[in-house]
Amino acid sequence: GAVVSQHPSWVICKSGTSVKIECRSLDFQATTMFWYRQFPKQSLMLMATSNEGSKATYEQGVEKDKFLINHASLTLSTLTVTSAHPEDSSFYICSASEDFDPLSYEQYFGPGTRLTVT
Amino acid sequence: DQQVKQNSPSLSVQEGRISILNCDYTNSMFDYFLWYKKYPAEGPTFLISISSIKDKNEDGRFTVFLNKSAKHLSLHIVPSQPGDSAVYFCAASASGTSYGKLTFGQGTILTVHP
Repeated sequence: GAVVSQHPSWVICKSGTSVKIECRSLDFQATTMFWYRQFPKQSLMLMATSNEGSKATYEQGVEKDKFLINHASLTLSTLTVTSAHPEDSSFYICSASEDFDPLSYEQYFGPGTRLTVT
Repeated sequence: DQQVKQNSPSLSVQEGRISILNCDYTNSMFDYFLWYKKYPAEGPTFLISISSIKDKNEDGRFTVFLNKSAKHLSLHIVPSQPGDSAVYFCAASASGTSYGKLTFGQGTILTVHP
């Protein structure tokens, strides 16, 4: 149980275009979804937290107009990288939590999406 | 500002021996700590956690130790198996911050040789 999928697993796009990454919880309802970014040999950096039906909360330094997050249902969140540039090339990972308990830190991670902007 | 640090990028261990992965943190507000395991092309999977009210938590071959005064935690794997070869991330959270927000270390690549 507690499977999270991401699509696509990898994507190459041209500079200036937008790309959408989907994150789905397959066998549970995710009240909260998280988006992380990982640069090579670095830790996962939290970009934003989204709750179903409400606006995402972005971490300091993350441009909300560039990284659009939509959590339209309890099983789907999307991250759209708008006007992508080569520096946006990275590994993007989502995670989902089904708990209402704020003391529960258990998150289930997707397999990640490798974005390359040329 | 790296609040959670894993200073060893890699660790190599013989099968059957103990693997010890270390993690240091700087934020004294952190009160919950987790270890995740990650295989290539997969997302991290939860391994074990510990609350700051404890100094040890065991789950089978995995034990996490927490030294709050030193702001240090470690993950012990005994005995190590080749299937344990993966990247291990420690993560920390503070109950007063945003729900579920985790701060991750850089990861340690563990290789267990048969």
